[in-house]
Amino acid sequence: AQKITQTQPGMFVQEKEAVTLDCTYDTSDPSYGLFWYKQPSSGEMIFLIYQGSYDQQNATEGRYSLNFQKARKSANLVISASQLGDSAMYFCAMRERGAQKLVFGQGTRLTINP
Amino acid sequence: NAGVTQTPKFQVLKTGQSMTLQCAQDMNHNSMYWYRQDPGMGLRLIYYSASEGTTDKGEVPNGYNVSRLNKREFSLRLESAAPSQTSVYFCASSVEVRHNEKLFFGSGTQLSVL
Repeated sequence: AQKITQTQPGMFVQEKEAVTLDCTYDTSDPSYGLFWYKQPSSGEMIFLIYQGSYDQQNATEGRYSLNFQKARKSANLVISASQLGDSAMYFCAMRERGAQKLVFGQGTRLTINP
Repeated sequence: NAGVTQTPKFQVLKTGQSMTLQCAQDMNHNSMYWYRQDPGMGLRLIYYSASEGTTDKGEVPNGYNVSRLNKREFSLRLESAAPSQTSVYFCASSVEVRHNEKLFFGSGTQLSVL
């Protein structure tokens, strides 16, 4: 069964608009972490934001915020005021407590149009 | 502030050749990982090392060997390369953040096996 699902293979957004990238996950472990990574065309994986399953508040890092809806098993990434440099692949990932493996979704290719 | 350094960035091999991908981190992290990234499949864990002197198989270990030479270095070896091993390889290291692990990735190695 797919543990991490990103349903948007590609998205196109106008510069300066906010964008939401969807991510749903599946786990029976009550303790887990959710991650978002950005992969620009240069190829490196860049950590963006982390949310722990027991965190009371949604995580925020600058223009990035994570809309964490635990009951729905959803961890959407919100990018405010998008910039041309935000064009990249974005991966959602989950790690269950005690598991060594970070499980990735298939990614969403975001394109910001001027 | 190097973080995770991988070499080489690009490599072309013929079927049956061997090679070693090198990875080093300067963040004093205990855990290190090797992932491969294939189109449409996200990242999959090949091997990981929870600490110096230990290594364990991930999802797709066949055809690979690893060595955790010391706390800084974690190498991935292909003994007899096959076209199915054409992929982008990422090394990562991790640190515990609020009871979960935050991964830092290297810039990747693009490997083609002909």
